[in-house]
This record gives sequence, C-alpha cells and structure tokens, in this order.
Amino acid sequence: QLQLQESGPGLVKPSETLSLTCSVSGGSISSTTYFWGWIRQPPGKGLEWIGSVYSSGRTYYNPSLKSRLTISLDTSKNQFSLRLNSVTAADTAVYYCAGGVESWGQGTLVTVSS
Amino acid sequence: QLVLTQAPSASASLGASVKLTCTLSSGHSTYAIAWHQQQPEKGPRFLMKLNNDGSHTKGDGIPDRFSGSTSGAERYLIISSLQSEDEADYYCQTWGTGIVVFGGGTKLTVL
Repeated sequence: QLQLQESGPGLVKPSETLSLTCSVSGGSISSTTYFWGWIRQPPGKGLEWIGSVYSSGRTYYNPSLKSRLTISLDTSKNQFSLRLNSVTAADTAVYYCAGGVESWGQGTLVTVSS
Repeated sequence: QLVLTQAPSASASLGASVKLTCTLSSGHSTYAIAWHQQQPEKGPRFLMKLNNDGSHTKGDGIPDRFSGSTSGAERYLIISSLQSEDEADYYCQTWGTGIVVFGGGTKLTVL
C-alpha cells in the first residue's frame, strides 16, 4: 500500500522560497501507474491542485502558480519535491502530496509570515 | 474548461441516506472522478474512483454504506445508514492530461 509523507519547514518568510519533499514508500516513484502531485488547502477553504509530475519527469502546473513553481522527481531517494518562489501570506496552507487520486500524505501546515 | 460543481452544503438525519452530486462541465461528461472525504481537522481520505459507466473502485476499508453512481455529466456519492462520523466535507476530483481539478466541496451535516 502506497504511503506518502511530506517534510519541510513550517514557517517561511514573505518573498522567500517554500520547499517541501514527499517521501514515498510501498511503491516506486518510477512507476507509470501513478502521477505524483501536490495539493494545498488554505485555512477554512477547499482543495487546490498545485501541480503534478509523471514518472517520465514531465510536469504540469496550475496556471495560477506556474510562474513561481517547480516540481521535480528524485528517483534515487523515491521522493518528489515542490518549490514555490516569492511566497506571500496567500500561500499559507496545509500542503498535501498525493500518489494518483488514491493516496494522500497526512499534510503539513506551511505558514508564510515574517 | 474542465470544472466540477458541488453544492456547498447538505444535511440528512442519522440513519438515513444522502446523495451528494458532482457535475462535470459541458463537454466533459465522460470523465471519471474520485470522491474524497475530509473529516474535521483531518486530511482527505480517498473514498472511490467513479467511472462514466457507473462502475466504481473503493479505497481500502471504505464501508459498503458508501457507493457511487452516474447519470450523464453527474456523478453521485450515496451514503446510506448515516452515522455521526460521516459528518465531513466531501470533495470530488477529476483529471486529464496536464490538469487536475477539484470541486468546491460539500459540507455534510448529520442531524
């Protein structure tokens, strides 16, 4: 059974870069069965797709975040990562990683504040 | 444009059944969707993947009380014998090449 775990700083200063890693166990990140994705949820709001990466390394981003976003795979560590530049308070959210549509990480709260 | 529409809220009595609706935008009526449950203060949990033909595949440990069906562009989540722990937000999700979309979610209150 696929398991995912997010890790990274819980506090990021405005204008800096938010970086998160998702560690995958119970399956290979090189598998073509899944696409790997990041989703976020601002406090009190709904789910927002951030972007996805396929085992080929091909990435797809939410157009509203595309200019600030990089998602990448690290097959040697069975991980994938998220980098979001120039963050503001509006980027404060619980960030989830996901494998396909079936598997979710537990989520990690990232607060943008000085 | 691929969009999913959900009613913001629904309510039903303990022990009753409820049917939540997720509507696909025009031109996308054949898309499969996924349903997720998010209980208060918890992360989302995958409930099922629901295909255009109404067939569905549930997640591990999801009770038989949860089922899905399809009619045209509408995808339904049916919960029978409602229990207090079913009070949660329910999100539908769909995906295509290069895109993933979530509905706005339905907050289910169990009376």
